[in-house]
Amino acid sequence: AQKVTQAQTEISVVEKEDVTLDCVYETRDTTYYLFWYKQPPSGELVFLIRRNSFDEQNEISGRYSWNFQKSTSSFNFTITASQVVDSAVYFCALSESVIQGAQKLVFGQGTRLTINP
Amino acid sequence: EAQVTQNPRYLITVTGKKLTVTCSQNMNHEYMSWYRQDPGLGLRQIYYSMNVEVTDKGDVPEGYKVSRKEKRNFPLILESPSPNQTSLYFCASSFQGAGYEQYFGPGTRLTVT
Repeated sequence: AQKVTQAQTEISVVEKEDVTLDCVYETRDTTYYLFWYKQPPSGELVFLIRRNSFDEQNEISGRYSWNFQKSTSSFNFTITASQVVDSAVYFCALSESVIQGAQKLVFGQGTRLTINP
Repeated sequence: EAQVTQNPRYLITVTGKKLTVTCSQNMNHEYMSWYRQDPGLGLRQIYYSMNVEVTDKGDVPEGYKVSRKEKRNFPLILESPSPNQTSLYFCASSFQGAGYEQYFGPGTRLTVT
């Protein structure tokens, strides 16, 4: 069965520090999709990135970067030069390919990130 | 504006009183899903639907029902709510399945006393 583990429950750093959020996943499938979502204090869920299992290229978007390593089943998220507005709960999620019609999406427990001024 | 709407946003009810949380999307998405969010547990999938009249269980379906009679609507029904269903509920939709970006509704905070 698919599983996502975010071992860091809470992280607190000072503004401008770099911070990495860890995500480890388990799946028996060779085709799957990984996601990161952000939940700011206002409560909505915001999509950040989607990565399929065949694309191990790292991605950078401004201050955000993602490191996907199939060898260690990890999909880590780094924020460079963190800002107070980055304070949120961040969720990693996994979707396996369609197996007999299954279309489940599994989330990790979330990491609460606090950026202190 | 492309969006997923949920109603009500807040609901306090008593044990055993049937309730429905509505969810509607205006993006013509095939896939819709319900999640509950509880502290320390992240989001857990309750039910999902691949299209009209096609629904399936997620990881925590007990105590919930859903229906998908129209493509845009996916209501969540609690026929006999219990206190352990107190939670924050999110509806979401995506283009064609769980492997696509999910668009989430604003959430419904439910308290069952």
